[in-house]
Amino acid sequence: ETGVTQTPRHLVMGMTNKKSLKCEQHLGHNAMYWYKQSAKKPLELMFVYNFKEQTENNSVPSRFSPECPNSSHLFLHLHTLQPEDSALYLCASSQESSGGFTDTQYFGPGTRLTVL
Amino acid sequence: AQKVTQAQTEISVVEKEDVTLDCVYETRDTTYYLFWYKQPPSGELVFLIRRNSFDEQNEISGRYSWNFQKSTSSFNFTITASQVVDSAVYFCALSDQISNFGNEKLTFGTGTRLTIIP
Repeated sequence: ETGVTQTPRHLVMGMTNKKSLKCEQHLGHNAMYWYKQSAKKPLELMFVYNFKEQTENNSVPSRFSPECPNSSHLFLHLHTLQPEDSALYLCASSQESSGGFTDTQYFGPGTRLTVL
Repeated sequence: AQKVTQAQTEISVVEKEDVTLDCVYETRDTTYYLFWYKQPPSGELVFLIRRNSFDEQNEISGRYSWNFQKSTSSFNFTITASQVVDSAVYFCALSDQISNFGNEKLTFGTGTRLTIIP
């Protein structure tokens, strides 16, 4: 596997279900990101993990719960979602360091989520 | 606040024509990066280019070229001799630093859907 992979690629769930999205990066990066892409809206940054620690939570509802067990894996746990949460969820990774600007973010193929 | 505007929502051109995608940005930072990403129907955002705010040299990569003009806060993308495989949504993005760790926060435009007609 190369680059950034995401599973599943498609997910349909009911509002009472609990599911998880998985992201894995094979680039040796130390920072990972979750983005939400809804129709007709710009990509929205949801969470940032740097060196396995969450450094950004962009006012995301608590029904989205991220987990980063190591610098290569990132999960997004979903529970009691709403139909408006239906979107493409994209994971990205980059190599970060303290101080100035750092490397480019590389994206996975995304998980297309539909909430019924 | 940072902002990226891609005024062209959709563009259609006939194959082999040249096409330019516009990007205008707003930032108060003196140091920043600009990006273009391509999103084909498969969904993955494919990185195309990253440009430092101090480097205004235009860049060419094959059929792709980028025109960065700080005076007009624009970073336009031109595809020469377009091909059907160029059909995708193209996003322009701007970065700034959001933490002491140096994480880049990308502000994306709303994208331009480019359709190349065979």
